[in-house]
Order: sequence, then structure tokens, then C-alpha cells
Amino acid sequence: DIQLTQSPSFLSASVGDRVTITCRASQGISSYLAWYQQKPGKAPKLLIYAASTLQSGVPSRFSGTGSGTEFTLRISSLQPEDSATYYCQQLNSNPHTFGQGTKLEIK
Amino acid sequence: EVQLVQSGAEVKKPGESLKISCRGSGYRFSNYWIGWVRQTPGKGLEWMGGIFPYDSDTRYSPSFEGQITISADKSSNTAFLQWSTLKASDSAMYYCARRSLDYSPLDYWGQGTLVAVSS
Repeated sequence: DIQLTQSPSFLSASVGDRVTITCRASQGISSYLAWYQQKPGKAPKLLIYAASTLQSGVPSRFSGTGSGTEFTLRISSLQPEDSATYYCQQLNSNPHTFGQGTKLEIK
Repeated sequence: EVQLVQSGAEVKKPGESLKISCRGSGYRFSNYWIGWVRQTPGKGLEWMGGIFPYDSDTRYSPSFEGQITISADKSSNTAFLQWSTLKASDSAMYYCARRSLDYSPLDYWGQGTLVAVSS
């Protein structure tokens, strides 16, 4: 299985900050990576796919970069509603593994 | 509007069987994969497997193969996840989600079905 390692596991930042979450794959996955946001008690929501394509309706402050084994999710100007857990998922090969998650807290 | 609506929460005993469902609407159900994802506090999100209802092509994660059965009924636009013998370790939230093609993400998700297995 391809392992995805997210860092950090926990992040605390203030409104207006720029934050970066990293996802590293144990082997190359081209650009077949998605990012999801999950709020407590809710299903995950797709933010970004193909490493850098913003899903329709997602605010432009979210962006994704990377290919191969290293990927990043950036939030350019943190908003209170961005408090959530963020997951990456690789779609290159079965099983479509997820990262362990990054919990983002707003100070 | 695309919607995936899952069946309600279940409380079962170890050794019992269970089948939970996921009904799609607002799109051509047969032409999209339905995947199942397990979420537990300790292990986060785990992709279990998926099915393409058009031809019932089914793929399982090696971690779950033999433990679960994924199926679909095109006539009712419903996908299913079933266990023949539940274990306490199957207690989790289960989500279904849609994806279009190979390499595509899970773009719409069901609301989740909570399964509790306890003696």
C-alpha cells in the first residue's frame, strides 16, 4: 500500500494567517492526490483534486501544489470557518489511502 | 442536485450480520463509482473498496477483502456494504462517496452510517 504522511498533525493559527499542510507519499503518485476538509460530525468535503485543481465552489484562498511524492495544501488567509481536519488521499493505486489528518485550530 | 443518502445508525452484537445502504439521486447512478470509507477515532479515514454499478466491477482494499461485500442495485440506485459476521472492531462511521473515473476523487459524500457492535 502507498503510505501518506501528513505534517503537521496539529496546527494552531490566527485569522488572516497563511498556513501550509504537507502530504508525503511513500512512492510516486503523479498528480493523483486529493485534499478534503472535515468538520466535526460531518462527512469530508472535497477541496482540491489532481493535486492543484480547485473543486467548484471552494474558496480561492485554498490552493494545492505538488507531484510525485510531495504535496502541499495552502490556505492563503485563514478564516474562522476553516477550523477543521484536513486529509489527503492518493488515487494512483488500490487501496486509495488517506493521510492521517491535520487538525487545524483557529486561535 | 447530487445526493447520497445512507441508511440509519445500527446497533448490533458480535457475530451478527449487517447490510447498510447508500442511495444516489440527481445523477446517472450507474455511471459513477461508489466507494466506501471507514472512519474510526484511532485510524482516521480508510478506503474500503468500491463498485461501478454499470457492470458491478468491484475493487476491495486488501485490508478489507474477505471481510466485507460491496454490491449495488442499479434499479434502485443503491449501493450496499455488508458484513456476514460482525466484530467489535467493525464499530465505526461508514461513508459512501461517489467518484467518476479511475484516478478521480470522491466528489460527493453520504452523511455517514454509524455502526456500533457490542455484546
